[in-house]
Amino acid sequence: GAGVSQSPSNKVTEKGKDVELRCDPISGHTALYWYRQSLGQGLEFLIYFQGNSAPDKSGLPSDRFSAERTGGSVSTLTIQRTQQEDSAVYLCASSMGGIADTQYFGPGTRLTVL
Amino acid sequence: SQKIEQNSEALNIQEGKTATLTCNYTNYSPAYLQWYRQDPGRGPVFLLLIRENEKEKRKERLKVTFDTTLKQSLFHITASQPADSATYLCALRNTGGFKTIFGAGTRLFVKA
Repeated sequence: GAGVSQSPSNKVTEKGKDVELRCDPISGHTALYWYRQSLGQGLEFLIYFQGNSAPDKSGLPSDRFSAERTGGSVSTLTIQRTQQEDSAVYLCASSMGGIADTQYFGPGTRLTVL
Repeated sequence: SQKIEQNSEALNIQEGKTATLTCNYTNYSPAYLQWYRQDPGRGPVFLLLIRENEKEKRKERLKVTFDTTLKQSLFHITASQPADSATYLCALRNTGGFKTIFGAGTRLFVKA
């Protein structure tokens, strides 16, 4: 079936505004991850969802960042009061949920905060 | 703190040669090590996984080694092709959870 999709592909916003980024995982995948990739940097883990378990939020950089996953499928990452340092590519990945499973990544959302 | 190091300098090689990329880590005891390929403007794509009790894993022209004593993994592409040009990311995961730590990646250029 279709791969992981993310929307929007690009988002330009003004400092102080809130933004919502969406991720549609592969159907049937129980695990969902959010990462942030800044220019020339590796992927920075943000948050992980697995089934109905409490999400692992240990990577969220501040309380301005939050994420939810509705119905075990679609996820939304929200950044409140955006700052220029939030500019990055936000990547979503999904997997079957096993400890050694493969993560399938979406194309990412490029966020630019002016 | 946990750290993954990949050569930040781009690797330039001639078509047909073997490319070797290095991943070193500190303050970490990973149960699994993965290699991903990332093309510009796209998300990473999984290539290979190797477990802590495995020394080597192969898949077609790809070979990965994992030395938990040296805390190092080597990623080899034999008979390299221009289409292999991309950024290659190393990723680690321990047995305690699902959090995956990625390196910054090494850019590979294969010249025809």
